[in-house]
Amino acid sequence: GNSVTQMEGPVTLSEEAFLTINCTYTATGYPSLFWYVQYPGEGLQLLLKATKADDKGSNKGFEATYRKETTSFHLEKGSVQVSDSAVYFCALSGGTSYGKLTFGQGTILTVHP
Amino acid sequence: GAGVSQSPRYKVAKRGQDVALRCDPISGHVSLFWYQQALGQGPEFLTYFQNEAQLDKSGLPSDRFFAERPEGSVSTLKIQRTQQEDSAVYLCASSLVRRSNEKLFFGSGTQLSVL
Repeated sequence: GNSVTQMEGPVTLSEEAFLTINCTYTATGYPSLFWYVQYPGEGLQLLLKATKADDKGSNKGFEATYRKETTSFHLEKGSVQVSDSAVYFCALSGGTSYGKLTFGQGTILTVHP
Repeated sequence: GAGVSQSPRYKVAKRGQDVALRCDPISGHVSLFWYQQALGQGPEFLTYFQNEAQLDKSGLPSDRFFAERPEGSVSTLKIQRTQQEDSAVYLCASSLVRRSNEKLFFGSGTQLSVL
């Protein structure tokens, strides 16, 4: 079956530091890959996505590249801000036509001024 | 409304009670999902509706869990004879169309605590 593994957190950084959150997956076929973010007190929001190998998703300074050879979709940001403090979830959609998502366990990011 | 709305926001139940959780998806959205999120974990799929049809209920953990969407809009997740292991946040999500890479819009969830 499908599975997603994220690096364990929590991750604590100073403002303007470089961020990497690792994500690897197991799936049959060609899944679509997503990063969702959950800000305190809010619902999950789509941050970025990639639908095929070598695609790069990007949004709000965050980037992730779909690497089929390493089955990875690592999230990166060059300079984090305090407002980026949230929980980040890697997810995949595969095996169905209707977008059933399999999520990783989430990574808590805290950015200090 | 502008987003997916879930109610109640918090629910406390005594073990053995029945509960009903409501989801109002974005108007016109065809697809509706329910997920269960245990503390410190990622959401796990429970069930999927396309309009009023429940096409996938493979994630429902037991026959105590039941979901419906009778008119293809509002959905209700019902849990009978609640147990402590049912304590979790229950998330509803909807999307405009049925497509594997379509963006899902999530509600803020209902936090269920079973005492």
